[in-house]
Amino acid sequence: GIQVEQSPPDLILQEGANSTLRCNFSDSVNNLQWFHQNPWGQLINLFYIPSGTKQNGRLSATTVATERYSLLYISSSQTTDSGVYFCAVGAGANSKLTFGKGITLSVRP
Amino acid sequence: KAGVTQTPRYLIKTRGQQVTLSCSPISGHRSVSWYQQTPGQGLQFLFEYFSETQRNKGNFPGRFSGRQFSNSRSEMNVSTLELGDSALYLCASSLGQQLAKNIQYFGAGTRLSVL
Repeated sequence: GIQVEQSPPDLILQEGANSTLRCNFSDSVNNLQWFHQNPWGQLINLFYIPSGTKQNGRLSATTVATERYSLLYISSSQTTDSGVYFCAVGAGANSKLTFGKGITLSVRP
Repeated sequence: KAGVTQTPRYLIKTRGQQVTLSCSPISGHRSVSWYQQTPGQGLQFLFEYFSETQRNKGNFPGRFSGRQFSNSRSEMNVSTLELGDSALYLCASSLGQQLAKNIQYFGAGTRLSVL
């Protein structure tokens, strides 16, 4: 099946700093989503981005489908950005998402 | 529009028991998927239901089963619980009809502890 790798596994930032989170995948996809998992476990949708670039406030994402990677940018980070960020991809004729192992982000005041 | 609702939020069971978890999808969504999250294995796909039919299945033993009702609500059942079944179980819903723009929305999860 499709493989998803996220890097770096852990990231520690000072409040106000910028960061880039990477997601590599091993095959063509028709779905790619970025999630933020809150402390209570819920996965919050950040972006649906199988290709192209999107922006939402301080967050933006770019997927280069031909090179099989996606990047999530966080600018002017805040302590509330802390948590685990997941990239998940879908491929083929079904709705199954394959998740990466996640990136744990800690933003310090 | 209400989001994906999972009940109960927390469960404590003992080994050998069985458990049923419930998921109500977003109104209008016909696809419901279930995922298991553990510290060791991460997020793993269990199965997906669309229009009351299991459309896809992950690599889990037969003790894990599910069903979907005509109103798209779904339940998953785990029989003969083992300690390793302790996990956060997440449900996701989507429109399910088009592969493109098949955005998955997740519920808050059910945290199961097996003692």
